[in-house]
Amino acid sequence: GEDVEQSLFLSVREGDSSVINCTYTDSSSTYLYWYKQEPGAGLQLLTYIFSNMDMKQDQRLTVLLNKKDKHLSLRIADTQTGDSAIYFCAETFTSGTYKYIFGTGTRLKVLA
Amino acid sequence: DAGITQSPRHKVTETGTPVTLRCHQTENHRYMYWYRQDPGHGLRLIHYSYGVKDTDKGEVSDGYSVSRSKTEDFLLTLESATSSQTSVYFCAISESGAGGAGDYGYTFGSGTRLTVV
Repeated sequence: GEDVEQSLFLSVREGDSSVINCTYTDSSSTYLYWYKQEPGAGLQLLTYIFSNMDMKQDQRLTVLLNKKDKHLSLRIADTQTGDSAIYFCAETFTSGTYKYIFGTGTRLKVLA
Repeated sequence: DAGITQSPRHKVTETGTPVTLRCHQTENHRYMYWYRQDPGHGLRLIHYSYGVKDTDKGEVSDGYSVSRSKTEDFLLTLESATSSQTSVYFCAISESGAGGAGDYGYTFGSGTRLTVV
């Protein structure tokens, strides 16, 4: 079945690194994504990784994918108060369903 | 959000009344989606469209219908609103279908907060 799980909350101090984790159950996923949602706004695509990759780095963001364990993580280096938001992971499949499966979101709170 | 707008942004309606939410895009993207966001559930797909007049159901489609008569507009109708449909509704667009070549993720609208009383 298709299921994506995330922990609900994460609190870090400004300047520290944040690691947000996601586990998924369907190994046929093709792309995996991280989205950010600020209060009162829609989701904003942060980064994505193709399923044949292990790691992707984009400035302060590092995505790690462990296909064996079906585990995806997002590391934010030098976390700032502006990073406080809800972070969603999502996956898609080659089954032609034309849909994404979203996790329930992790609320990141950055303490000054 | 560049290229995609939702209207209205907020709406309060009474139980049993029909409600239509509008999503408008200027990106000429083929795929459009309606999601609802509820605490503890993340985002759940209601309906999606893969072209003009081409739509299909998502995982929570009961009580909702959609129409797409033009590339740029995707309408979501609650046929007879119920309190369980109180939610935040998001429209999203994508250039290619999920998982397809050139799948670079969605662009989301800012959402419509709907309250059914």
